[in-house]
Amino acid sequence: QSVLTQPPSVSGAPGQRVTISCTGSSSNIGAGYDVHWYKQLPGAAPKLLIYGNNNRPSGVPDRFSGSKSGTSASLAITGLQAEDEADYYCQSSDSNLSGWVFGGGTKLTVL
Amino acid sequence: EVQLLESGGGLVQPGGSLRLSCVASGFTFSDFATSWVRQAPGKGLEWVSMIFGSGYGTYYADSVKGRFTISRDNSKNTLYLQMNSLRAEDTAVYYCAKQEGQLMGNYCFDYWGQGALVTVSS
Repeated sequence: QSVLTQPPSVSGAPGQRVTISCTGSSSNIGAGYDVHWYKQLPGAAPKLLIYGNNNRPSGVPDRFSGSKSGTSASLAITGLQAEDEADYYCQSSDSNLSGWVFGGGTKLTVL
Repeated sequence: EVQLLESGGGLVQPGGSLRLSCVASGFTFSDFATSWVRQAPGKGLEWVSMIFGSGYGTYYADSVKGRFTISRDNSKNTLYLQMNSLRAEDTAVYYCAKQEGQLMGNYCFDYWGQGALVTVSS
């Protein structure tokens, strides 16, 4: 059971917009800690996708955006492409656990 | 170019020990906190342990506290994870990851190694 809750899977057709939610609590996202997002392709290491709730590292397309409100955060992907098919993880910090926590991951399927 | 290269993974019996290493390049290693993050087969990511750039100050997940020890040698740009009393549930790919952020509570993992597989089985 992950501290941050994500839907196990989402799907969308090419060109569509999808969102992935990340729900936490008052000891992590709700405590004001930043939320970060990672993309992981099969057999590869995770890659930072969004940091500080809504910032994109250099090289990440602006089709990817993040938001945060209260105890939840979301990752939005517009103009869905085949190469977006991957596992996506949210991450934050937790004051009760004195460490960093991840969501359980969401598998994005491009139909 | 930032690079992190793990080594030391392998097969170990329950109750055994193993030490992972991670050699860093492309950045000033001593300036940044670094963590170990693991991923069990077919499962999600789990943060394991973190050490500040200076080497002073370490944090552990409850699941490994008292069994694993994180350390670093800044003269060798190398991060270590000493794993003792290994259990079957420690079986995972272990990634070293550089951390970035102004405040510890807002750290993200901005660069990752390719991972080292640790299998605990008799």
